[in-house]
Amino acid sequence: DAKTTQPTSMDCAEGRAANLPCNHSTISGNEYVYWYRQIHSQGPQYIIHGLKNNETNEMASLIITEDRKSSTLILPHATLRDTAVYYCIVISNFGNEKLTFGTGTRLTIIP
Amino acid sequence: KAGVTQTPRYLIKTRGQQVTLSCSPISGHRSVSWYQQTPGQGLQFLFEYFSETQRNKGNFPGRFSGRQFSNSRSEMNVSTLELGDSALYLCASTNPGTGALDTQYFGPGTRLTVL
Repeated sequence: DAKTTQPTSMDCAEGRAANLPCNHSTISGNEYVYWYRQIHSQGPQYIIHGLKNNETNEMASLIITEDRKSSTLILPHATLRDTAVYYCIVISNFGNEKLTFGTGTRLTIIP
Repeated sequence: KAGVTQTPRYLIKTRGQQVTLSCSPISGHRSVSWYQQTPGQGLQFLFEYFSETQRNKGNFPGRFSGRQFSNSRSEMNVSTLELGDSALYLCASTNPGTGALDTQYFGPGTRLTVL
């Protein structure tokens, strides 16, 4: 039962902002939106998470719609090292919850 | 603060052998989860340990086992290896109950190839 849907792949020019969308129309009130990315054959890297407010950290910004049914991860100035598969997941509590990644979005940064 | 470390990074074994993988969590993290990742099945949860006790277990056969030590380091063991056990094995650590959502941080993984 997929909780999120993401485009299969996206391209972005180096130096431009990469905007990765995610739909989570069945999200419940206590579920957070999390983003991870995975560079080929490496462990997933935590990027950012949010509940309902927009969030920003040193890696990215997360914009969550007011109805919380979708969100966008923004990498403000994409570099070649940002080429990876990006996973959007919704989760209520990590304590006893097992992570499940969908197919994610394969983001390719074009020089 | 050092991240999650896993050893070895790469491993080649033959069918029928057994293997032990090691994970050192981020300092202060008390929970360690193990995942198997394959191209066909994606990320699958194996088990989670907290304070040396297994708290959760996924749907894997008994050939897959684990343990956690008092310093929170964890090992997982796979006995009687099968070709289908070839995968990237990931360890993730977190510190439950700290008052914030318990973000899981992953290690680099161990790439296991079974011949």
